[in-house]
Amino acid sequence: RKEVEQDPGPFNVPEGATVAFNCTYSNSASQSFFWYRQDCRKEPKLLMSVYSSGNEDGRFTAQLNRASQYISLLIRDSKLSDSATYLCVVNPPSNNDMRFGAGTRLTVKP
Amino acid sequence: GAGVSQSPSNKVTEKGKDVELRCDPISGHTALYWYRQSLGQGLEFLIYFQGNSAPDKSGLPSDRFSAERTGGSVSTLTIQRTQQEDSAVYLCASSYRRGTGELFFGEGSRLTVL
Repeated sequence: RKEVEQDPGPFNVPEGATVAFNCTYSNSASQSFFWYRQDCRKEPKLLMSVYSSGNEDGRFTAQLNRASQYISLLIRDSKLSDSATYLCVVNPPSNNDMRFGAGTRLTVKP
Repeated sequence: GAGVSQSPSNKVTEKGKDVELRCDPISGHTALYWYRQSLGQGLEFLIYFQGNSAPDKSGLPSDRFSAERTGGSVSTLTIQRTQQEDSAVYLCASSYRRGTGELFFGEGSRLTVL
């Protein structure tokens, strides 16, 4: 089992739609969770951290379910500019690195 | 600039040659990471440096790969006797400290091994 797993997609949605991505992780002791965004042929950039109580940043909502070991990202009122690959990132406590999922590709169409 | 700088941005080499990739992190960032990303794939962890501590080399795929970080700043990733499967984008990232979550990535070095 991979340490961080994501549905690769692609997700093709119309503008204005609501879309949700899930990510599962294998190390139950993981403490820190994040969503990164990567545009085509660009470097990844932090989108938002994921807090235990869930958190919202504008149209984006992130949630953590420790019991089931998954995190989610919800995007409301999708914009064309949301088209990108969304990477789930987990920081296992026993490792020094940040473990990245393979990413979920989102395309928002007019 | 204030961001992470990587060079070269593109490198084409012949199988069997050695290559060096350079990363200049953001000033003051003590943590430095190397990842590689093959086409359409996620990021594969290679190596992590934190201050003056011994690096975490657990992600290096073979002994042909090595990295160093001089003076706690610039890092060089060396691949000896390159193979075609080494072709990928090599991404360097730095952060103020481990675990903060915000890794600042360079634009990457695209390596093509013919």
